[in-house]
Amino acid sequence: AQTVTQSQPEMSVQEAETVTLSCTYDTSENNYYLFWYKQPPSRQMILVIRQEAYKQQNATENRFSVNFQKAAKSFSLKISDSQLGDTAMYFCAFMYLDDKIIFGKGTRLHILP
Amino acid sequence: NAGVTQTPKFRILKIGQSMTLQCTQDMNHNYMYWYRQDPGMGLKLIYYSVGAGITDKGEVPNGYNVSRSTTEDFPLRLELAAPSQTSVYFCASRTGLGNSPLHFGNGTRLTVT
Repeated sequence: AQTVTQSQPEMSVQEAETVTLSCTYDTSENNYYLFWYKQPPSRQMILVIRQEAYKQQNATENRFSVNFQKAAKSFSLKISDSQLGDTAMYFCAFMYLDDKIIFGKGTRLHILP
Repeated sequence: NAGVTQTPKFRILKIGQSMTLQCTQDMNHNYMYWYRQDPGMGLKLIYYSVGAGITDKGEVPNGYNVSRSTTEDFPLRLELAAPSQTSVYFCASRTGLGNSPLHFGNGTRLTVT
């Protein structure tokens, strides 16, 4: 069974700094998809970024980028020039081709003014 | 577009009562999902459906039932509610194409006392 591990329950960084959130996963499959979702205090889940396992190039969305290391089964999220609005829970998610989508426990990120 | 709509927003149940959490989407998405979110535990997949008439168990299906008679609706049924089912429940949908992301409802906060 696939599992997703986020080893950092909580992090704090100063505004404008860069922060990296870790995610590792366990799978024996070769083709799959990975996602990062953000959940601000409003509780609404928002897609941040996504990555296909067959693509070697790391995905980037404005200030958000990933470091996808397939052999190491690692999928970290880097937030550059962090903003107060980035304060939220961040969840890493794994989707195999059977369309099950499994989430990690999340990292609570605080951006400090 | 309304997106994914969940009702009710809040509910208090007594132990042993039953209820149905409603979820409907107007995006013509084939795939729908139910998750529960416990504090510090991330999201756990309860059931999912890849189309009308098709449902599959997720990580934590015990104590729940689902049906998918239409593309739009994916109700979650709780039979004989227990305190362990106190949680926030999220419904989500996606097109099912490749790495299409989940679109989430706003959640239902359920308390069983």
